[in-house]
Amino acid sequence: QVQLQESGPGLVKPSQTLSLTCTVSGGSISSGSYYWSWIRQPAGKGLEWIGRIYTSGSTNYNPSLKSRVTISVDTSKNQFSLKLSSVTAADTAVYYCAREIAVAGKNDYWGQGTLVTVSS
Amino acid sequence: SYELTQPPSVSVSPGQTARITCSGDALPKQYAYWYQQKPGQAPVLVIYKDSERPSGIPERFSGSSSGTTVTLTISGVQAEDEADYYCQSADSSGTYKVFGGGTKLTV
Repeated sequence: QVQLQESGPGLVKPSQTLSLTCTVSGGSISSGSYYWSWIRQPAGKGLEWIGRIYTSGSTNYNPSLKSRVTISVDTSKNQFSLKLSSVTAADTAVYYCAREIAVAGKNDYWGQGTLVTVSS
Repeated sequence: SYELTQPPSVSVSPGQTARITCSGDALPKQYAYWYQQKPGQAPVLVIYKDSERPSGIPERFSGSSSGTTVTLTISGVQAEDEADYYCQSADSSGTYKVFGGGTKLTV
């Protein structure tokens, strides 16, 4: 059974860089045809797709966030990461990591989510 | 950027049929996916590739597509189906994914 777990600071100051890591267990992050994705959800609001990284390392980002987002993968640790720069209060949200099966396009496994608050 | 449009809310009585729509210009070219989210929980996939149902999802959940609109249908709605539902798809080139604004289903 694949499991995903987000980790990182719960509080980030405005203008700084938000950094989160998703640890994958129950399977190798470098095997199979999967995208590893980040999705966020401000309190009381809807889901927003942030971006994804493919097993090969290629990335896709939400155009509205592209200039501030970097997603990378560390196969040695079976982890992938999110960096979001120049954060503001609008970036306060629960951040989820998820696995997407490339051929089917579906997000079949999700992390439990982690709340990141941007505040001084 | 690309957007998917959902009604903010749908309300039905137990046992009735709930239909939640999602509209987007690229839906004739890109598959749609539906996620159910209950308070404090991560989303759960209930329909993929417009109409496929993952294992473990009750048969009362079904999906359909017609032109620029996809529909999630829940037949014989139960109290446990009360949740937020989100459609997801990709832009016309398949470069990035997008979620609809979500629909709160009240039973």
